[in-house]
Amino acid sequence: DGGITQSPKYLFRKEGQNVTLSCEQNLNHDAMYWYRQDPGQGLRLIYYSQIVNDFQKGDIAEGYSVSREKKESFPLTVTSAQKNPTAFYLCASREGQMVKSEAFFGQGTRLTVV
Amino acid sequence: GDSVTQMEGPVTLSEEAFLTINCTYTATGYPSLFWYVQYPGEGLQLLLKATKADDKGSNKGFEATYRKETTSFHLEKGSVQVSDSAVYFCALYTGNQFYFGTGTSLTVIP
Repeated sequence: DGGITQSPKYLFRKEGQNVTLSCEQNLNHDAMYWYRQDPGQGLRLIYYSQIVNDFQKGDIAEGYSVSREKKESFPLTVTSAQKNPTAFYLCASREGQMVKSEAFFGQGTRLTVV
Repeated sequence: GDSVTQMEGPVTLSEEAFLTINCTYTATGYPSLFWYVQYPGEGLQLLLKATKADDKGSNKGFEATYRKETTSFHLEKGSVQVSDSAVYFCALYTGNQFYFGTGTSLTVIP
């Protein structure tokens, strides 16, 4: 089945550690996105990528890094510079060229700092 | 810049009541408009979409019409069920990135 897979579902991080969240899609989509969701709030864009080997900062990129070495993969690293990383992280993908195409979302990763 | 404003919640309705969740947008160009639904602890699922003015998106009894003159995309359902309890997000896409509203939490009580 085609879809977008995030792993792990739950992740715990100690203070000062970097952690990497995985996002893989087999939909052959060009564009991929990372969002952060805090309780009772909407989605805030962290990074997005329209093509392989290229990505752009979103509204809250500080303390995060990404790579896009393969079309199907867009991992997000939460670095120790991110002061308040506890949140629900959502990855999405879409066909790159059509304005009318919707985004497909993964099931999310809940990151907690312990 | 581009943005979406949607009705704040939470909204609580009795089963079989009529639902409206308001959504208005600001955008340059000709955006596509979407409604997504999120159940607890899950990602967002597309509920419906409309890609040009006067289009009506519909799915599972939900409807929304793309109104360019009022820059609106209000979500409606004639008779809600307990299983419709979720958070609903309005969104637009203009060719570069998505813009999401803050979400409206709906609880339907039997």
